[in-house]
Amino acid sequence: AQSVTQLDSQVPVFEEAPVELRCNYSSSVSVYLFWYVQYPNQGLQLLLKYLSGSTLVKGINGFEAEFNKSQTSFHLRKPSVHISDTAEYFCAVSDPTDSWGKLQFGAGTQVVVTP
Amino acid sequence: DSGVTQTPKHLITATGQRVTLRCSPRSGDLSVYWYQQSLDQGLQFLIQYYNGEERAKGNILERFSAQQFPDLHSELNLSSLELGDSALYFCASSVAGTGELFFGEGSRLTVL
Repeated sequence: AQSVTQLDSQVPVFEEAPVELRCNYSSSVSVYLFWYVQYPNQGLQLLLKYLSGSTLVKGINGFEAEFNKSQTSFHLRKPSVHISDTAEYFCAVSDPTDSWGKLQFGAGTQVVVTP
Repeated sequence: DSGVTQTPKHLITATGQRVTLRCSPRSGDLSVYWYQQSLDQGLQFLIQYYNGEERAKGNILERFSAQQFPDLHSELNLSSLELGDSALYFCASSVAGTGELFFGEGSRLTVL
């Protein structure tokens, strides 16, 4: 069984400042890792994914994440945030030997960007 | 716009009733997934269909059922509704092997 822990439920950040959202997972097998974003009253949108290969993954809107197998982490970063980045962010994991779209989500991190 | 269409967007009903949520996947996507998002349980995977066949099952209650039709649209049926079933129900679709789910905007169910 897999589980995902997002260590921060809410992260306030000023516009143009950097942000890091922390995600740790537990799994007895190798995993696929994802970050999704949910804007108010909308569905989820994929920011980036790690399936294999380079541990540094670049996504949309200037986000990137690093897969650290030894620390079982997949933290999300952005060097300079905009007001429009205010949203909820979800880390998710799936088992490549099962249905990869069967995602186990973390509880989410609400990012609030202020001027 | 993800290309995934869900109807209805909002639904209010009473305990004990039955509702059907509908999902039209992106053109060409064979897989459909259903997720439930609630305040107490967060986002939970319910069930996946691939080209009309059930592919994976999650924490879906026995009172809930789903199917995928030959035109690839899917329906999630929720019966004997309880207050705790109030949630946002998302449908997502994907192309095999891409690692990306495309989510609809959800159907918000309120059970009174």
